[in-house]
Amino acid sequence: SQQGEEDPQALSIQEGENATMNCSYKTSINNLQWYRQNSGRGLVHLILIRSNEREKHSGRLRVTLDTSKKSSSLLITASRAADTASYFCATLDSSYKLIFGSGTRLLVRP
Amino acid sequence: DGGITQSPKYLFRKEGQNVTLSCEQNLNHDAMYWYRQDPGQGLRLIYYSQIVNDFQKGDIAEGYSVSREKKESFPLTVTSAQKNPTAFYLCASSVKGDTEAFFGQGTRLTVV
Repeated sequence: SQQGEEDPQALSIQEGENATMNCSYKTSINNLQWYRQNSGRGLVHLILIRSNEREKHSGRLRVTLDTSKKSSSLLITASRAADTASYFCATLDSSYKLIFGSGTRLLVRP
Repeated sequence: DGGITQSPKYLFRKEGQNVTLSCEQNLNHDAMYWYRQDPGQGLRLIYYSQIVNDFQKGDIAEGYSVSREKKESFPLTVTSAQKNPTAFYLCASSVKGDTEAFFGQGTRLTVV
């Protein structure tokens, strides 16, 4: 089973627009992380938010966490064609199991 | 350079054979993970280890085995009991399991 379910499964936007992806999870977590994957490659870590944090920023990325709703969102502002990739959320539970969601495929059109 | 290395990049297996995928890290990380990714899908956890000589099953451990004899190494064996092994396999490591994970570039396994 996958801990995180992401929404939407696929997203197509124009360069310069903002992209928002959502992640829902099922169990208690220590932290929630977002990763990016270019086709056929390994994953690259983007940002980590701990369970006692509500919002975090890193460059053009903004992540929110709502533990009462067991959900998180990733906002990419002013998107670029180079942001085209798959984005995954991952949750770390109390047994240090790192579980990934199903991912959102983002296409940024030039 | 510090990092996590998976080998080989591509691997072909005949039906009924066991194959071992290598994962080595020189980041001094305690935690290591193995994931399977099918086309267009997310990552599913096979096995993970928080410390040498100890590891736990993930969500899809059947047909796979691992060992953690050294901190730097976490090899994954795909056994003949795994009926559908064709997939992209990713290894990751992290400091204590409570920080970001670093990924290798993956091994693409194909059954021929």
